[in-house]
Amino acid sequence: AQKITQTQPGMFVQEKEAVTLDCTYDTSDQSYGLFWYKQPSSGEMIFLIYQGSYDEQNATEGRYSLNFQKARKSANLVISASQLGDSAMYFCAMIQGAQKLVFGQGTRLTINP
Amino acid sequence: GAGVSQSPSNKVTEKGKDVELRCDPISGHTALYWYRQSLGQGLEFLIYFQGNSAPDKSGLPSDRFSAERTGGSVSTLTIQRTQQEDSAVYLCASSSSLKRRETQYFGPGTRLLVL
Repeated sequence: AQKITQTQPGMFVQEKEAVTLDCTYDTSDQSYGLFWYKQPSSGEMIFLIYQGSYDEQNATEGRYSLNFQKARKSANLVISASQLGDSAMYFCAMIQGAQKLVFGQGTRLTINP
Repeated sequence: GAGVSQSPSNKVTEKGKDVELRCDPISGHTALYWYRQSLGQGLEFLIYFQGNSAPDKSGLPSDRFSAERTGGSVSTLTIQRTQQEDSAVYLCASSSSLKRRETQYFGPGTRLLVL
């Protein structure tokens, strides 16, 4: 079975600093996909970034980038130049088969002014 | 365009009553998913629908839970004889296909409280 581990329950960062949110995964599949979602206090899940296991380059989307280390089975999210609006829960997820997402426990990120 | 919508946004019910939660996916999306988010269990997959294929019900926690999708669009998740442990946020998501790279877009969720 696939498993996602996020070891940081909470993180506190000063505004404008970069932050790395950790995610490790466990799977026996050779082909898989990894997602990061943001969940602000309003509750909706917002898609941030996707990394395929066969993608040759690390994914980037604006201020978000994914530090994908396949051999270590890690897919850390990097947020550059953090903003107050980045305060939220962040979930790492793996797509299982072609259907269901398996989520980690999440990291609560707080950006301090 | 409109995103995934869910109703009601909040639902309070008494133990033992039945509840129905509704999801309206993004227009044109053929795949629809239900997840549950609770404090104790985190985010869990419940069920997914793809077109006219039989749904994958492998995540439903008990036979009190059922879901249907009418006309390949709107879906209803029904919980019969609700229990206090059913209290959670029920999230619906849709995607344009079952391809692994296809992003699942989530609705705002329905917060269910069973008293």
